Amino acid sequence: KAGVTQTPRYLIKTRGQQVTLSCSPISGHRSVSWYQQTPGQGLQFLFEYFSETQRNKGNFPGRFSGRQFSNSRSEMNVSTLELGDSALYLCASSLNGQTYEQYFGPGTRLTVT
Amino acid sequence: AQSVSQHNHHVILSEAASLELGCNYSYGGTVNLFWYVQYPGQHLQLLLKYFSGDPLVKGIKGFEAEFIKSKFSFNLRKPSVQWSDTAEYFCAAGATSSNTGKLIFGQGTTLQVKP
Repeated sequence: KAGVTQTPRYLIKTRGQQVTLSCSPISGHRSVSWYQQTPGQGLQFLFEYFSETQRNKGNFPGRFSGRQFSNSRSEMNVSTLELGDSALYLCASSLNGQTYEQYFGPGTRLTVT
Repeated sequence: AQSVSQHNHHVILSEAASLELGCNYSYGGTVNLFWYVQYPGQHLQLLLKYFSGDPLVKGIKGFEAEFIKSKFSFNLRKPSVQWSDTAEYFCAAGATSSNTGKLIFGQGTTLQVKP
């Protein structure tokens, strides 16, 4: 089975721009969770989608949003980028998100200049 | 508030030494517990998990962890480390009662194994 894939792997954006990151879960997995990883804050939960519905959201501003498609692929969007948004964004998939083990993708490294 | 704390931020060991990484959690109910590892340049991989049952769980690559409910702990152990175990290790917890796919992670422990 193919693992979780994320595109693009690296991204450089300017403050004020917006960005969209993509995640394809493992085949058959219906839950996709997103995390932000930074040296200072570690891994922090952004949100989780299951069957195209956002079920939970972490403590991030409304500039961070996401969606899930009928094939379980997910995208996250960050609008009006700030320097502090520079991070590794990780996507994880699981069978149904009921804290079954999550399998992580390689991440998208976002740099905001 | 839900939280996971890892006692050691940076551990340096020689090959063949024994390893124990501490993890404590604070949650409002019962939890599922995980240890993930991130090798240099690679993505997070699941080492082992605890959902219920035997509190001593075995994972990949010779790792094991013990769930001690009274201490809210889930420490990771390995009897004899190898240079290839050099990596960052994360403890994580998720509530068993929710269907939200949310894991709370500890800050991570960087393990450096000297050959």
